[in-house]
Amino acid sequence: GQNIDQPTEMTATEGAIVQINCTYQTSGFNGLFWYQHHAGEAPTFLSYNVLDGLEEKGRFSSFLSRSKGYSYLLLKELQMKDSASYLCAVSDSNYQLIWGAGTKLIIKP
Amino acid sequence: GAVVSQHPSWVICKSGTSVKIECRSLDFQATTMFWYRQFPKQSLMLMATSNEGSKATYEQGVEKDKFLINHASLTLSTLTVTSAHPEDSSFYICSARVLEGSPLHFGNGTRLTVT
Repeated sequence: GQNIDQPTEMTATEGAIVQINCTYQTSGFNGLFWYQHHAGEAPTFLSYNVLDGLEEKGRFSSFLSRSKGYSYLLLKELQMKDSASYLCAVSDSNYQLIWGAGTKLIIKP
Repeated sequence: GAVVSQHPSWVICKSGTSVKIECRSLDFQATTMFWYRQFPKQSLMLMATSNEGSKATYEQGVEKDKFLINHASLTLSTLTVTSAHPEDSSFYICSARVLEGSPLHFGNGTRLTVT
């Protein structure tokens, strides 16, 4: 079956760095997405990785290893507004999106 | 950038009535749109994939007769919650993409409250 795993909840301190991991097992692979989701709002696209390596966008970076079925989202210089759920999603061979259950990130002062 | 408009933003209805939610891609054509539901303190749950000109594909556990999806054009998909009950109260979000494999663009969601 197809499966995406990510931690349910993580806690970090304002100003620090946090890494949210995502492992996947899917039928084919056409890219991995990370979204930020504040409850009651539309999710926000953060990153897209289809090749191995690190993609950096400001305070956020995303890494992919296709051979390991593994990705992580790295958030630096954490701010209180970064408290949200972070969703990992993989596009399979049919371009169907397989969603992880999301990681709730709690930022403490 | 690609914009998805979802309407209404919030709706309150009485138990037993039906509610229609619209999802429009404003500046692009979307052959596929997706409908999600978010329960309190939980992540997004994909309900169904809406395909233009054909029947929607529903996820396991989602009642197709209760959640009617219509994708009549390349820019509009609708979700109708039929015979709504209080347990249907939730936050419903739609999304669309320009091409297969491209990022999703989300509507702002609809808060449904059934009394």
